[in-house]
Amino acid sequence: GAVVSQHPSWVICKSGTSVKIECRSLDFQATTMFWYRQFPKQSLMLMATSNEGSKATYEQGVEKDKFLINHASLTLSTLTVTSAHPEDSSFYICSARLVDEQFFGPGTRLTVL
Amino acid sequence: QKEVEQNSGPLSVPEGAIASLNCTYSDRGSQSFFWYRQYSGKSPELIMSIYSNGDKEDGRFTAQLNKASQYVSLLIRDSQPSDSATYLCAVPGAGGFKTIFGAGTRLFVKA
Repeated sequence: GAVVSQHPSWVICKSGTSVKIECRSLDFQATTMFWYRQFPKQSLMLMATSNEGSKATYEQGVEKDKFLINHASLTLSTLTVTSAHPEDSSFYICSARLVDEQFFGPGTRLTVL
Repeated sequence: QKEVEQNSGPLSVPEGAIASLNCTYSDRGSQSFFWYRQYSGKSPELIMSIYSNGDKEDGRFTAQLNKASQYVSLLIRDSQPSDSATYLCAVPGAGGFKTIFGAGTRLFVKA
């Protein structure tokens, strides 16, 4: 149980385009999902907390208009990186909360050319 | 003071030895504690949860919790090269809403 999937697992896009990443809890309902970003050899950085049916809560320094989050159902949250630039290239990981435990998706590696 | 502190390592142990990973936390009211393992290039994986003082064993892994001293540790017995990874300690944040992660300890198990 407690499986979280992400799609796509990797994506390459041109600078200026938008990319959407999906996060799904496969065998449980998650009212809360989290989006993280991780650069090589660095720690996880929480970007935002996604709540089903309400606006996401963004961490300080994360641009909400650039990283659009939609938590449309109890099993799906999406992150859209708008007008992506090379500095947005990173490993994006979602997680879903079940009681007090967090389960992570496999991550999406984004490369912006 | 950081909310969750870990030695960044790297911690290097020979194959078959016991690896000991330590973590301290600042919120004395924390009730839940978690250990995650993250292989290079992969996402974190929950490997242990502990809620009560004392030891909790799961296979080769033992989590130890001491709430009075505000530390939690993870012991890996009979370490294998496949245990080489970064181990993240985590506790619920204020209000128990989001999880606070330590920066992680890199473990290398030498064959």
